Formats: sequence, C-alpha cells, structure tokens
Amino acid sequence: GAGVSQSPSNKVTEKGKDVELRCDPISGHTALYWYRQSLGQGLEFLIYFQGNSAPDKSGLPSDRFSAERTGGSVSTLTIQRTQQEDSAVYLCASSLEGSAQPQHFGDGTRLSIL
Amino acid sequence: AQSVAQPEDQVNVAEGNPLTVKCTYSVSGNPYLFWYVQYPNRGLQFLLKYITGDNLVKGSYGFEAEFNKSQTSFHLKKPSALVSDSALYFCAVTGRRALTFGSGTRLQVQP
Repeated sequence: GAGVSQSPSNKVTEKGKDVELRCDPISGHTALYWYRQSLGQGLEFLIYFQGNSAPDKSGLPSDRFSAERTGGSVSTLTIQRTQQEDSAVYLCASSLEGSAQPQHFGDGTRLSIL
Repeated sequence: AQSVAQPEDQVNVAEGNPLTVKCTYSVSGNPYLFWYVQYPNRGLQFLLKYITGDNLVKGSYGFEAEFNKSQTSFHLKKPSALVSDSALYFCAVTGRRALTFGSGTRLQVQP
C-alpha cells in the first residue's frame, strides 16, 4: 500500500520567505508527527497530532513554525520568515493510535535557506 | 525526561561477521523501545520494537535486539552482516508525545 508521502522533496528558498511543507499520511493512521533532522541537532520532535485532540506543539522551536492537519488527514508545516538555521530535512511520520505503534516515515523535505 | 544514548558514531564490520549496534536508555516506567534504519536520502524505516515479554526481539532483514532491564540497554544485533546493511541506525524510546531518538550510529559493512 501507499506509504507516507511528503512534498516537495526539495525546497530552496531565500531567507525571509515563507515555506509550506506537505505530508500525506497512511490512510487510517490517526497519529501524525513532524520531526526535523539536521546535522548538529539530530532528530528533533516538532509537533504531534492525534485524532481530534489538540495538537502537541511543544517541540516547535519558535512562533515562526506552525502546523495544521485538515480533516484528520493531510498536514501542512509552515515556516514563516525563514532563517538559515531552518535548513534541515523535515520528516513526517504517521501511525495507528498508541505509543506502542511503530511510526512510518516519509522520505522528507530537504529545505535549504539561502 | 527520557533519553537514548548511542555511544558509537560509527561501527565497522566485515561482511559475514556478526554486528552489534549499542543503545542505552533512560526512562521512568516501562520503556517502549524501537530501532529504525535510514538509507541515504530516505526516511526512517522501522526494524523492530520491544514493548513487553521476551527480551530477545526479532525484526526485519534478520535483525534482532536484546532488551536488558538491569543494564538499561537495547542493543541491535545481526549474526551475519551484509554490505547492504550499511546505513544509519537510530534507537528510540517512546514517551507521552513522540519518539526520542539517539544520535544515530553509522554502520559500515566492508566486503
């Protein structure tokens, strides 16, 4: 079956611009996660959606970062006024409900800020 | 707070030899532990998990991991390494919200 799909796969933009990253989770998965992978910081949790509950935004690094999940499916991560330190690979994962469930990852969006 | 440590940045092993990638964890309560593998320019792929029960967990591609509660370890093992096993391996523990990952270990299998 189809896995987690992320788009675009690569994004290059100028400092100060806004970017939107999209994640299409596996059908039926109620949990959706965003992580950031960078050389210096490893894999960092950003935000977590579970069903209709309020999202856990505790990992977002600044108020320039926001995310939404429409209709319990597709999610968009938005970074406003991008900075060079935002350059990283942004990974999305989805899973069935519950901490014991394995997360299934997309191939990520490689974001480069010039 | 929970944490995971992978003490080796890189592990080198010859093809056909056994491999071990180390992981230790710190968590209050019973841990849910995972191993993931990442190939270049790809996302993470789930290998195996420990939730409860038998301390030896078998997973994908011939990998297994041994949970040791007294040593708070969850080392990844494979009896005979393949060149195609060369990749980046992450140990992770799950908490209230999401996975907490180790820093990753690069496995290099030489022909």
